[in-house]
Formats: sequence, structure tokens, C-alpha cells
Amino acid sequence: ETGVTQTPRHLVMGMTNKKSLKCEQHLGHNAMYWYKQSAKKPLELMFVYNFKEQTENNSVPSRFSPECPNSSHLFLHLHTLQPEDSALYLCASSPSWARSGDEQFFGPGTRLTVL
Amino acid sequence: QKEVEQNSGPLSVPEGAIASLNCTYSDRGSQSFFWYRQYSGKSPELIMFIYSNGDKEDGRFTAQLNKASQYVSLLIRDSQPSDSATYLCAVVTGNQFYFGTGTSLTVIP
Repeated sequence: ETGVTQTPRHLVMGMTNKKSLKCEQHLGHNAMYWYKQSAKKPLELMFVYNFKEQTENNSVPSRFSPECPNSSHLFLHLHTLQPEDSALYLCASSPSWARSGDEQFFGPGTRLTVL
Repeated sequence: QKEVEQNSGPLSVPEGAIASLNCTYSDRGSQSFFWYRQYSGKSPELIMFIYSNGDKEDGRFTAQLNKASQYVSLLIRDSQPSDSATYLCAVVTGNQFYFGTGTSLTVIP
């Protein structure tokens, strides 16, 4: 098991629900990331936080709302999602966002199904 | 044009053979290159990274980088059934990680 944990591991929600995904890293890293992984598509970077500050928002719809209260915790708040948002949502962390050579460590992911 | 391209496979090799996985990238300014392995239903885990042209070996794995031709490859020697997984190529350009769609590898016992 990695030093990055995610809860819940599986989530089924209706389009009108509001839910949150949680990520926690125990590695002392300063950068955290949310990725979306859909079948037959590359990993899509959604958000990047570096030292709790959001540095990247790759044109993600506003129905996804990230929150980073500290360098160890990252949330993804979900509301009024669409069925096409069903995917595996992966959290990752790395020592620093600024250093291009840093490896990213991934959590186990949350398998999200939107009905 | 996609940032990172991989043949989606599936690639099948017999146990004990060499598996060769290839990846091309579009940005000549890319600095760092990573290979991740992802088992079905699991998250990606790092196998190797390479920054400089040439070969880098780690156990049964060898990463090869050719910046002039903009490709990076992963060779797996003495392939084992446990190597069956999807292999993701990741290229770092600036501060951004770009992932390929992955190549599915099956090692046949």
C-alpha cells in the first residue's frame, strides 16, 4: 500500500447528489494532484495544489470543486454530476510541483459511478 | 496531436521473452520520462524514470531514451505472468505530467 490514501474506494451517486472525495498523503510532500482516468483515455490532470495553493485548473467544469486545507489533505467536492463523469479518480502527491523530475505517488483511487 | 502516444496493444509475449513497449512524445523540450505499471483495478506505480539519452537498467527493466527521435521505450527481460498489466508512459514538460493511454501487456505462461 502506498503513502497516499483515498476514501471512499467506491462511490455511486445520482446526478442531484453532493458528495466529496478525500485524499490524504503521509509522505511529507508539498504538491497534490487530482486526476481522472476514463477507459481508453490518458490520465487527465484536473487540479494541482502546491503548498496548499491551487496552481493548475485544467478547464475542469465547476461541478468539480477542489479543496486543500493543508499540504496533507485534498478534497474533491462533487455536485450535479453527469453520467459521463463516471471514472476512476486518482489522487497523487509529489515532493514539489516545481521540480520536473519528481515522481508522483498515486493513491488507490475512487471508482465513481454517476447514475 | 497528442502529447504522448503509445500503442494500446494488447501486446502478448510468452513467459521468458523480452517485452518491448514504446512511447513517442511531441514536445522536444520535455525533460523527464517515467514508466508506470497499472494492474487492473489498481493505481499506477512507478517502475522507472529516465532523464538522459541512452539506457538505464534496473533489474529486469531497461528504459531507453532517444531525445532526437522523441521516443522512450521500456524493455522487460525474462517476462513473467506477474508483469501482465497496463504500462503508462509519462512525459514531463515544464511542470506538467502528460500520460499516454497505456499499453496492455499479457505474458502467457
